[in-house]
Amino acid sequence: GAGVSQTPSNKVTEKGKYVELRCDPISGHTALYWYRQSLGQGPEFLIYFQGTGAADDSGLPNDRFFAVRPEGSVSTLKIQRTERGDSAVYLCASSLDREWSGANVLTFGAGSRLTVL
Amino acid sequence: EDKVVQSPLSLVVHEGDTVTLNCSYEVTNFRSLLWYKQEKKAPTFLFMLTSSGIEKKSGRLSSILDKKELFSILNITATQTGDSAVYLCAVETSGSRLTFGEGTQLTVNP
Repeated sequence: GAGVSQTPSNKVTEKGKYVELRCDPISGHTALYWYRQSLGQGPEFLIYFQGTGAADDSGLPNDRFFAVRPEGSVSTLKIQRTERGDSAVYLCASSLDREWSGANVLTFGAGSRLTVL
Repeated sequence: EDKVVQSPLSLVVHEGDTVTLNCSYEVTNFRSLLWYKQEKKAPTFLFMLTSSGIEKKSGRLSSILDKKELFSILNITATQTGDSAVYLCAVETSGSRLTFGEGTQLTVNP
């Protein structure tokens, strides 16, 4: 697509529920990132995919968080047993392979705002 | 642990003023420094800097990197109300991860 698309744009859920957030990156972008942004803070790294595999998942806060990218395009961030502290905007970004572009300029989506009540 | 610090955290100016936003960093395996502008939602790319002392310019915005002193500045001249946004500084390290600062909230009043 023309840009990075994220759905849903807003999600309100209750504590303890399971949520899935979807990211559709720019066509042809092999690298995909998930970031979390709390109010008044900069984005915080969660996980990075190169193709289908998670190249770096060291930013995932705990085992309730999981992300997949089965066909190397669309990615889903999954959060189990949500807690109030998970409330944030979840940003997805994609970029061209650095070997091709020589740089790592991320293009971000508009984010999914998650509110856990 | 990689660290990026921005200052000031918030700034209020009048249209026409010139502003300087600061970004300092302490990271291992520096690759590049990037500036993004975030209005309501998606951060949008402004500049990428890899070499010291070379100014990048786009209209009224410009940025420069000092790799010896580990900082960058973003200048905006003749500010307009449309410049109101959060300006984010990020450093790319090996492994392609970006570490962001907290951002500077700029408000330009008419």
